[in-house]
Amino acid sequence: DAGITQSPRHKVTETGTPVTLRCHQTENHRYMYWYRQDPGHGLRLIHYSYGVKDTDKGEVSDGYSVSRSKTEDFLLTLESATSSQTSVYFCAISGSGAREETQYFGPGTRLLVL
Amino acid sequence: SQQGEEDPQALSIQEGENATMNCSYKTSINNLQWYRQNSGRGLVHLILIRSNEREKHSGRLRVTLDTSKKSSSLLITASRAADTASYFCATAPPGAGSYQLTFGKGTKLSVIP
Repeated sequence: DAGITQSPRHKVTETGTPVTLRCHQTENHRYMYWYRQDPGHGLRLIHYSYGVKDTDKGEVSDGYSVSRSKTEDFLLTLESATSSQTSVYFCAISGSGAREETQYFGPGTRLLVL
Repeated sequence: SQQGEEDPQALSIQEGENATMNCSYKTSINNLQWYRQNSGRGLVHLILIRSNEREKHSGRLRVTLDTSKKSSSLLITASRAADTASYFCATAPPGAGSYQLTFGKGTKLSVIP
């Protein structure tokens, strides 16, 4: 895994509680992404960042917010978790120029919302 | 919505056989990539083929791209038990947003020793 960590790796929470997932990279890559992976849906983009404080929505952004205050950290927040947000969440990074095309993935966070 | 769709959804073969997976997509692309995911792990990049390329090789992997049919195939030759994983195609749009990938739902490959 190319210098990407995610925390926590597993989390169980209750409906209505806020949850923050953290992605940390040591590669100094420009782009960072949050995906969710669900059976039957594959990998879907939630939000992405193209620089510090520069973020944009992906395909399934409702109910999620993100922040990137430093190059190395990208936070995903579920403001009020719902059972439909039970999923495996992956962070990914990509560089600039020719290196922006390939994405490198973290190990994932399994989130269960009861 | 999914851009790429892999076929078949699942594939089971004997060790030593070749495995072929297909990916179809809907709109123009800058490049198409294949990723592997072992159970419980993150995705790992395998190979990238650009829209102006027709075939690419990397070790036991062979990827073809037919932009007229909007399809790609991934061939793994002489498969090994360690190739057991899910394989995803991902497409990058043309232009400035080529860093954004859209993933298919994947093909689950089982290689039986």
